[in-house]
Amino acid sequence: QVQLQESGPGLVKPSETLSLTCSVSGGSISSYYWSWIRQPAGKGLEWIGRIYTSGSTNYNPSLKSRVIMSIDTSKNQFSLKLNSVTAADTAVYYCARCRGGYTPDNWGQGTLVTVSS
Amino acid sequence: DIQMTQSPSSLSASVGDRVTITCRASQSISTYLNWYQQKPGKGPKLLIFAASSLHSGVPPRISGSGSGTDFTLTISSLQPEDFATYYCQQSYSPPPTFGQGTKLEIK
Repeated sequence: QVQLQESGPGLVKPSETLSLTCSVSGGSISSYYWSWIRQPAGKGLEWIGRIYTSGSTNYNPSLKSRVIMSIDTSKNQFSLKLNSVTAADTAVYYCARCRGGYTPDNWGQGTLVTVSS
Repeated sequence: DIQMTQSPSSLSASVGDRVTITCRASQSISTYLNWYQQKPGKGPKLLIFAASSLHSGVPPRISGSGSGTDFTLTISSLQPEDFATYYCQQSYSPPPTFGQGTKLEIK
Protein backbone atom coordinates (compact mmCIF):
# COMPACT_ATOMS: atom_id res chain seq x y z
CA GLN A 1 0.00 0.00 0.00
CA VAL A 2 1.52 3.28 -1.13
CA GLN A 3 1.83 5.89 1.62
CA LEU A 4 2.34 9.62 1.18
CA GLN A 5 3.72 12.04 3.75
CA GLU A 6 3.85 15.80 3.45
CA SER A 7 6.62 17.80 5.11
CA GLY A 8 7.68 21.42 5.33
CA PRO A 9 7.41 24.58 7.43
CA GLY A 10 4.12 25.09 9.23
CA LEU A 11 4.49 28.88 9.29
CA VAL A 12 5.33 31.13 6.35
CA LYS A 13 5.49 34.93 6.32
CA PRO A 14 3.35 36.95 3.91
CA SER A 15 4.98 37.58 0.51
CA GLU A 16 7.40 34.68 1.03
CA THR A 17 7.43 31.23 -0.61
CA LEU A 18 5.64 28.18 0.73
CA SER A 19 7.67 25.01 0.13
CA LEU A 20 6.40 21.48 0.74
CA THR A 21 7.68 18.01 -0.10
CA CYS A 22 5.73 14.78 -0.42
CA SER A 23 7.58 11.54 0.25
CA VAL A 24 6.18 8.39 -1.34
CA SER A 25 6.81 5.01 0.27
CA GLY A 26 5.63 1.46 -0.37
CA GLY A 27 5.70 1.84 -4.12
CA SER A 28 7.35 3.58 -7.05
CA ILE A 29 6.69 7.17 -7.97
CA SER A 30 7.05 6.25 -11.64
CA SER A 31 4.22 6.16 -14.16
CA TYR A 32 1.68 8.13 -12.13
CA TYR A 33 0.41 11.67 -11.88
CA TRP A 34 0.97 13.30 -8.48
CA SER A 35 -1.13 16.18 -7.20
CA TRP A 36 -1.29 18.88 -4.56
CA ILE A 37 -4.69 19.83 -3.12
CA ARG A 38 -5.46 22.25 -0.32
CA GLN A 39 -8.27 22.85 2.15
CA PRO A 40 -8.70 26.06 4.15
CA ALA A 41 -10.06 25.49 7.65
CA GLY A 42 -13.74 24.60 7.57
CA LYS A 43 -13.90 24.90 3.78
CA GLY A 44 -13.82 22.70 0.71
CA LEU A 45 -11.04 21.23 -1.38
CA GLU A 46 -9.08 23.12 -4.05
CA TRP A 47 -6.88 21.36 -6.63
CA ILE A 48 -3.54 23.14 -7.01
CA GLY A 49 -1.93 21.11 -9.77
CA ARG A 50 -0.30 17.87 -10.83
CA ILE A 51 3.03 16.57 -12.07
CA TYR A 52 3.86 13.45 -14.05
CA THR A 53 6.99 11.40 -13.47
CA SER A 54 8.42 12.91 -16.68
CA GLY A 55 8.21 16.34 -15.04
CA SER A 56 5.25 17.52 -17.13
CA THR A 57 2.94 19.78 -15.10
CA ASN A 58 -0.61 21.14 -15.13
CA TYR A 59 -1.66 23.88 -12.74
CA ASN A 60 -4.95 25.40 -11.64
CA PRO A 61 -5.27 28.64 -13.66
CA SER A 62 -6.24 30.46 -10.46
CA LEU A 63 -2.79 29.73 -8.98
CA LYS A 64 -0.69 29.14 -12.09
CA SER A 65 1.32 32.36 -11.88
CA ARG A 66 2.56 31.48 -8.36
CA VAL A 67 3.05 27.68 -8.47
CA ILE A 68 6.00 25.50 -9.34
CA MET A 69 5.99 21.72 -8.93
CA SER A 70 8.96 19.42 -9.29
CA ILE A 71 9.70 15.72 -8.94
CA ASP A 72 12.74 13.69 -7.89
CA THR A 73 12.23 10.07 -8.92
CA SER A 74 15.54 9.00 -7.36
CA LYS A 75 14.23 10.05 -3.95
CA ASN A 76 10.58 9.08 -4.58
CA GLN A 77 9.57 12.65 -3.75
CA PHE A 78 7.73 15.53 -5.37
CA SER A 79 7.49 19.13 -4.26
CA LEU A 80 5.36 22.25 -4.28
CA LYS A 81 6.44 25.87 -4.23
CA LEU A 82 3.87 28.64 -3.93
CA ASN A 83 5.28 32.13 -4.00
CA SER A 84 4.02 35.53 -2.84
CA VAL A 85 1.76 33.94 -0.24
CA THR A 86 -0.96 35.79 1.66
CA ALA A 87 -3.28 34.85 4.52
CA ALA A 88 -5.65 33.39 1.90
CA ASP A 89 -3.09 30.62 1.30
CA THR A 90 -3.45 29.36 4.88
CA ALA A 91 -4.74 25.81 4.56
CA VAL A 92 -4.08 22.13 5.06
CA TYR A 93 -2.06 20.98 2.07
CA TYR A 94 -2.44 17.42 0.83
CA CYS A 95 -0.36 15.47 -1.64
CA ALA A 96 -2.02 12.67 -3.54
CA ARG A 97 -1.45 10.04 -6.21
CA CYS A 98 -3.79 10.28 -9.17
CA ARG A 99 -5.29 7.54 -11.28
CA GLY A 100 -6.48 8.42 -14.76
CA GLY A 101 -4.99 11.88 -14.43
CA TYR A 102 -7.48 13.74 -12.26
CA THR A 103 -8.73 11.18 -9.73
CA PRO A 104 -6.71 11.27 -6.49
CA ASP A 105 -6.91 7.72 -5.18
CA ASN A 106 -4.35 7.85 -2.39
CA TRP A 107 -3.85 10.88 -0.14
CA GLY A 108 -1.39 11.95 2.50
CA GLN A 109 -2.65 12.96 5.94
CA GLY A 110 -2.10 16.63 5.17
CA THR A 111 0.02 19.39 6.69
CA LEU A 112 -1.22 22.73 8.00
CA VAL A 113 0.53 25.79 6.63
CA THR A 114 -0.25 29.12 8.23
CA VAL A 115 0.67 32.39 6.55
CA SER A 116 1.32 35.00 9.21
CA SER A 117 3.94 37.51 10.22
CA ASP B 1 -14.45 25.92 -14.19
CA ILE B 2 -17.20 23.34 -13.67
CA GLN B 3 -19.16 24.04 -10.50
CA MET B 4 -20.18 21.08 -8.32
CA THR B 5 -23.11 21.50 -5.94
CA GLN B 6 -23.92 18.96 -3.24
CA SER B 7 -27.11 18.56 -1.25
CA PRO B 8 -27.80 18.50 1.55
CA SER B 9 -24.91 20.34 3.23
CA SER B 10 -25.53 18.35 6.38
CA LEU B 11 -27.55 15.31 7.28
CA SER B 12 -28.47 13.59 10.55
CA ALA B 13 -29.15 9.88 10.46
CA SER B 14 -29.08 6.77 12.63
CA VAL B 15 -27.10 3.54 12.40
CA GLY B 16 -28.92 1.26 9.97
CA ASP B 17 -30.51 4.08 7.98
CA ARG B 18 -30.31 4.38 4.21
CA VAL B 19 -28.97 7.76 3.11
CA THR B 20 -28.53 9.46 -0.24
CA ILE B 21 -26.34 12.45 -1.08
CA THR B 22 -26.77 14.32 -4.34
CA CYS B 23 -24.19 16.07 -6.49
CA ARG B 24 -25.00 18.27 -9.48
CA ALA B 25 -22.52 19.54 -12.08
CA SER B 26 -22.90 22.90 -13.83
CA GLN B 27 -22.46 21.12 -17.19
CA SER B 28 -22.44 17.57 -18.43
CA ILE B 29 -19.46 15.55 -17.17
CA SER B 30 -20.53 12.13 -18.53
CA THR B 31 -19.53 9.73 -15.73
CA TYR B 32 -16.34 11.52 -14.70
CA LEU B 33 -17.48 11.80 -11.12
CA ASN B 34 -15.74 10.63 -7.95
CA TRP B 35 -16.85 10.44 -4.32
CA TYR B 36 -14.63 10.81 -1.25
CA GLN B 37 -15.05 10.34 2.49
CA GLN B 38 -13.14 12.55 4.92
CA LYS B 39 -12.87 12.17 8.68
CA PRO B 40 -11.55 14.92 10.99
CA GLY B 41 -7.79 15.37 10.79
CA LYS B 42 -7.41 12.90 7.91
CA GLY B 43 -6.98 13.09 4.18
CA PRO B 44 -9.96 12.17 2.00
CA LYS B 45 -10.43 8.57 0.95
CA LEU B 46 -11.66 7.61 -2.52
CA LEU B 47 -14.91 5.65 -2.36
CA ILE B 48 -16.35 5.69 -5.87
CA PHE B 49 -14.75 6.57 -9.21
CA ALA B 50 -16.33 6.93 -12.64
CA ALA B 51 -19.71 7.57 -10.98
CA SER B 52 -20.41 3.97 -9.99
CA SER B 53 -17.20 1.95 -9.65
CA LEU B 54 -16.29 0.92 -6.12
CA HIS B 55 -12.69 1.66 -5.11
CA SER B 56 -10.66 -1.21 -3.66
CA GLY B 57 -11.57 -2.03 -0.07
CA VAL B 58 -14.78 0.01 0.02
CA PRO B 59 -17.73 -1.96 1.44
CA PRO B 60 -20.57 -2.78 -0.97
CA ARG B 61 -23.14 -0.95 1.18
CA ILE B 62 -21.74 2.17 -0.52
CA SER B 63 -22.81 2.78 -4.11
CA GLY B 64 -22.87 5.55 -6.68
CA SER B 65 -25.00 6.29 -9.71
CA GLY B 66 -25.72 8.95 -12.28
CA SER B 67 -24.42 10.48 -15.48
CA GLY B 68 -24.46 13.82 -17.23
CA THR B 69 -25.12 16.41 -14.54
CA ASP B 70 -26.85 14.52 -11.70
CA PHE B 71 -25.23 11.99 -9.41
CA THR B 72 -26.00 10.23 -6.15
CA LEU B 73 -24.04 8.49 -3.42
CA THR B 74 -26.05 5.96 -1.41
CA ILE B 75 -25.15 4.19 1.80
CA SER B 76 -27.63 1.35 2.21
CA SER B 77 -27.25 0.70 5.94
CA LEU B 78 -25.25 3.24 7.92
CA GLN B 79 -22.49 1.95 10.14
CA PRO B 80 -20.77 3.94 12.92
CA GLU B 81 -17.64 4.37 10.78
CA ASP B 82 -19.68 6.05 8.00
CA PHE B 83 -20.24 9.26 9.95
CA ALA B 84 -17.96 11.70 8.14
CA THR B 85 -17.95 14.39 5.46
CA TYR B 86 -18.47 13.36 1.84
CA TYR B 87 -17.26 15.21 -1.26
CA CYS B 88 -17.96 14.76 -4.93
CA GLN B 89 -15.36 15.73 -7.54
CA GLN B 90 -15.44 16.03 -11.32
CA SER B 91 -12.49 14.69 -13.29
CA TYR B 92 -13.94 15.57 -16.71
CA SER B 93 -12.36 18.93 -17.37
CA PRO B 94 -9.37 20.64 -15.77
CA PRO B 95 -9.13 22.04 -13.24
CA PRO B 96 -10.83 19.23 -11.32
CA THR B 97 -13.33 20.71 -8.88
CA PHE B 98 -15.02 19.50 -5.72
CA GLY B 99 -18.43 19.94 -4.17
CA GLN B 100 -18.68 21.86 -0.92
CA GLY B 101 -19.18 18.71 1.12
CA THR B 102 -21.98 16.95 2.99
CA LYS B 103 -21.48 16.35 6.71
CA LEU B 104 -23.17 13.16 7.86
CA GLU B 105 -23.84 13.24 11.60
CA ILE B 106 -25.28 10.79 14.09
CA LYS B 107 -28.89 11.50 15.05
